Amino acid sequence: GENVEQHPSTLSVQEGDSAVIKCTYSDSASNYFPWYKQELGKRPQLIIDIRSNVGEKKDQRIAVTLNKTAKHFSLHITETQPEDSAVYFCAASSRSGGGADGLTFGKGTHLIIQP
Amino acid sequence: GAVVSQHPSWVICKSGTSVKIECRSLDFQATTMFWYRQFPKQSLMLMATSNEGSKATYEQGVEKDKFLINHASLTLSTLTVTSAHPEDSSFYICSARWGGEETQYFGPGTRLLVL
Repeated sequence: GENVEQHPSTLSVQEGDSAVIKCTYSDSASNYFPWYKQELGKRPQLIIDIRSNVGEKKDQRIAVTLNKTAKHFSLHITETQPEDSAVYFCAASSRSGGGADGLTFGKGTHLIIQP
Repeated sequence: GAVVSQHPSWVICKSGTSVKIECRSLDFQATTMFWYRQFPKQSLMLMATSNEGSKATYEQGVEKDKFLINHASLTLSTLTVTSAHPEDSSFYICSARWGGEETQYFGPGTRLLVL
């Protein structure tokens, strides 16, 4: 099955600086890579996702890059703000053949924005 | 749009009893629903995938006779934890998606405490 590794486990940055979280995956059939933000005790919220036919996607301060050859993808947050503090999870899944499948999550990164 | 609800939000039960958790898609028809479990300070782990009208597919290591899943309609899936034990205490989160979409929308989760 799929295995997703995520680093770092904790990331502390100064407000206004950029934050980068990296993930690798093992299954070359994976073709969908979402990123979720989870605040304590809350549901995961989708913040951005990328599909394997795209190398980069951006949405305001958030961007994701995907390198299929190396099987890694990264989340970039620019101009960080205190409200960005949360746990971020990367995930991967494969929808090949139209079969139903779930997400394999990384272990999460606790992002701390220092004022 | 794409709202998923769960009920109850939290439940405390005695060891040996059964607990039913409901997951509903409020504004779309969920052809596929997923059940995840999250222990404190850990990642989300996929338990099972359910398609409306068919049997759920369980991940390796998840006992299908202990975690009964029913997806009787396009808007409702239920997870029943049978003969619950303290080690079943966790945060149970469902997600739902429709048709050929990859995006999963998460419910708010149910916190289960087994005494």
